[in-house]
Amino acid sequence: DVKVTQSSRYLVKRTGEKVFLECVQDMDHENMFWYRQDPGLGLRLIYFSYDVKMKEKGDIPEGYSVSREKKERFSLILESASTNQTSMYLCASSFSPGLAAYEQYFGPGTRLTVT
Amino acid sequence: ELKVEQNPLFLSMQEGKNYTIYCNYSTTSDRLYWYRQDPGKSLESLFVLLSNGAVKQEGRLMASLDTKARLSTLHITAAVHDLSATYFCAVDGKTSGSRLTFGEGTQLTVNP
Repeated sequence: DVKVTQSSRYLVKRTGEKVFLECVQDMDHENMFWYRQDPGLGLRLIYFSYDVKMKEKGDIPEGYSVSREKKERFSLILESASTNQTSMYLCASSFSPGLAAYEQYFGPGTRLTVT
Repeated sequence: ELKVEQNPLFLSMQEGKNYTIYCNYSTTSDRLYWYRQDPGKSLESLFVLLSNGAVKQEGRLMASLDTKARLSTLHITAAVHDLSATYFCAVDGKTSGSRLTFGEGTQLTVNP
């Protein structure tokens, strides 16, 4: 059974703080993804990674960076948190034997509030 | 650019009724996924459809894929309250590497 875990379920930070969201998967998946989900806007891809130290921008990368130093761990970094980054953040991982996009497995989510 | 559209976006139905959620997509693909999300929770995989004509069933839900029409359907039979959730379809756009493109989600409410 694939397990994707995220470091916090709920997080409250102040404007301007540096915020780290951690995601760990235990299925040796190559791909990992960070999304944010806001009411009425669906899931929006922030960044994804298809290998260690590799990353690609998604649709809304501004204000975020990522780090993938180990295959099982993918971190999302908010360099200077702002109130418009208050959201639900979802991490996902997937297998990647080729170019096809395989089923993604999601973590439980982190609800971040920036005050 | 791949676009994925679901309809309806909001669906309120009575227990015992049948209904279908539609997922249309704009470019060729033969890999489509359905997810369920309960309020305040994350996404849970429901169905994986990997070829034209694929049909999968689980309990009161049945999903199908018509790649020629670029359409997937999620059919609900004799709805029960426990099916209340938001349902997302997601499509492999093939040209976008390992990314999936998600629909907007259909928020289903089943009333007693």
